[in-house]
Amino acid sequence: GAVVSQHPSWVICKSGTSVKIECRSLDFQATTMFWYRQFPKQSLMLMATSNEGSKATYEQGVEKDKFLINHASLTLSTLTVTSAHPEDSSFYICSAGTGVSEAFFGQGTRLTVV
Amino acid sequence: TQLLEQSPQFLSIQEGENLTVYCNSSSVFSSLQWYRQEPGEGPVLLVTVVTGGEVKKLKRLTFQFGDARKDSSLHITAAQPGDTGLYLCAGGRGNAGNMLTFGGGTRLMVKP
Repeated sequence: GAVVSQHPSWVICKSGTSVKIECRSLDFQATTMFWYRQFPKQSLMLMATSNEGSKATYEQGVEKDKFLINHASLTLSTLTVTSAHPEDSSFYICSAGTGVSEAFFGQGTRLTVV
Repeated sequence: TQLLEQSPQFLSIQEGENLTVYCNSSSVFSSLQWYRQEPGEGPVLLVTVVTGGEVKKLKRLTFQFGDARKDSSLHITAAQPGDTGLYLCAGGRGNAGNMLTFGGGTRLMVKP
């Protein structure tokens, strides 16, 4: 299957700082990438849809100014958590689509804000 | 908002037992996918079903998509400790490409 690489796998940052997470499709071009957040023992919640060359579409309740998404190329999308706080600590996962119905996921990024 | 209800939330069984996980919605999905997720990792796709009534088998796992494309089930035969993990169903919204709505997940533990 298609490979999606996410970096870093885990990051610890101080409260008030910003953190950037990268999501790359390694062997295919993804016009659309998706960002999810997963709290412990819960399912994945869609945060935003990232389209190459255009503004991201955010789900209701997700602050666009806090979670900045950039999709500058067909193989790279980035999520920047700005002014991170402890409540932003979570597991962030990206996915990229190759067609109509299948999505391939990155390995996730564990963010801990202290 | 399209919601997917997944049940049971937790399941602890002995090795060799059979089990079924259900995924239900009041909405129609263009596709239904099942994933398995290990702690600290991203979900790994097990199967995609797109046709109402479709049944797919993957070794000891049998997946079924409801006739109306609103529900799905995952049946595991003779469960093994290696099947332990979080199982997630996800419905695809056809017009939005690969955008997925996830069920709440079923945490399965198979004891040896």
